[in-house]
Amino acid sequence: GQSLEQPSEVTAVEGAIVQINCTYQTSGFYGLSWYQQHDGGAPTFLSYNALDGLEETGRFSSFLSRSDSYGYLLLQELQMKDSASYFCASGQAAGNKLTFGGGTRVLVKP
Amino acid sequence: SAVISQKPSRDICQRGTSLTIQCQVDSQVTMMFWYRQQPGQSLTLIATANQGSEATYESGFVIDKFPISRPNLTFSTLTVSNMSPEDSSIYLCSVGIARSYNEQFFGPGTRLTVL
Repeated sequence: GQSLEQPSEVTAVEGAIVQINCTYQTSGFYGLSWYQQHDGGAPTFLSYNALDGLEETGRFSSFLSRSDSYGYLLLQELQMKDSASYFCASGQAAGNKLTFGGGTRVLVKP
Repeated sequence: SAVISQKPSRDICQRGTSLTIQCQVDSQVTMMFWYRQQPGQSLTLIATANQGSEATYESGFVIDKFPISRPNLTFSTLTVSNMSPEDSSIYLCSVGIARSYNEQFFGPGTRLTVL
């Protein structure tokens, strides 16, 4: 089976940096993805790490360490519009499917 | 990328009835996925639907309760059968196109309330 743990909630001010950690226990691990979901909206893909290291996409970066079964999403220069839930998700080599973590609700304050 | 639409966007149903949710994609895709999400909670995969074959259900979900059709490469339906209030949830379809399906595109969801 698979399980992914992430903090339930993070609060920060505009312009700050937030790091959302994700630890996983999976069989047949095939990469770590991150999704953003605003209230009432659909999840949208942010990033994917298949290999160890840092992937940067604008203000958002994602990191993966397979040896530590750990990854994180880094949100920089926080904006009010970044208030949303963020989910890590792991893929499996077999089955072509994702298992989602519990989600981290990020609240950005002025 | 892919653009996905779902119908209906929301519905209120009586217990014991069934609701069929439609998912339409603007391009041909091999695999479609159906998820359930309680408000404020994570996404739980119900089943994976391949065109031309039986859907593959996750533990805790059975075909009799959640029959799925996948008649072609751009369309799928999920039926929630014999509904109870516990089935009240948001149902989402998604498609995986890139990065071994780690990058998925989601429909807007169907908010179901069962009375």
